[in-house]
Amino acid sequence: DGGITQSPKYLFRKEGQNVTLSCEQNLNHDAMYWYRQDPGQGLRLIYYSQIVNDFQKGDIAEGYSVSREKKESFPLTVTSAQKNPTAFYLCASRTHTGAGELFFGEGSRLTVL
Amino acid sequence: AQRVTQPEKLLSVFKGAPVELKCNYSYSGSPELFWYVQYSRQRLQLLLRHISRESIKGFTADLNKGETSFHLKKPFAQEEDSAMYYCALRDMNRDDKIIFGKGTRLHILP
Repeated sequence: DGGITQSPKYLFRKEGQNVTLSCEQNLNHDAMYWYRQDPGQGLRLIYYSQIVNDFQKGDIAEGYSVSREKKESFPLTVTSAQKNPTAFYLCASRTHTGAGELFFGEGSRLTVL
Repeated sequence: AQRVTQPEKLLSVFKGAPVELKCNYSYSGSPELFWYVQYSRQRLQLLLRHISRESIKGFTADLNKGETSFHLKKPFAQEEDSAMYYCALRDMNRDDKIIFGKGTRLHILP
């Protein structure tokens, strides 16, 4: 079953703890993206990566970190420096050729208590 | 800086009436624009791209560079069109950065 998988779906953490959200794709896509979705704010870009071992900051990168060691994987760490981490996080991937549309995961909801 | 603006948070339209979801952008260069849709309990998915000049589910969108707009239109709304719609811009000058507007919730009234 091809696609993009995010885990976990729901995550609860205490304030001050770092949290890592997983994003895996088996679509052989080159590029991967992380967005944060808040009510009334739309999707805001956190980080994105066009190739393995390279990534760029998006518009709201502060308090987040990523890695891209494998083409299939793009984990996002929400650090304790992120002031308002409770949110819904969406991962997406795309190929550099053809339509180049973004394919999205189902999302991960993080709640910091 | 590049920006995508969707001025309406919520749009309510009667079934059978025309629909227009507004999207304006700011970008220095030739933009690539998209509409994405999220139906209830489904993943966000592509609806259409401006370079394809296609009609999907009766929706069309024309890029107007003079007005920097990419409004989504449908002549006759259907109940299954109720969803959240996002306009997106791909910045080809910045490593394919893709940004989204805040979204418009379309509610089709029976």
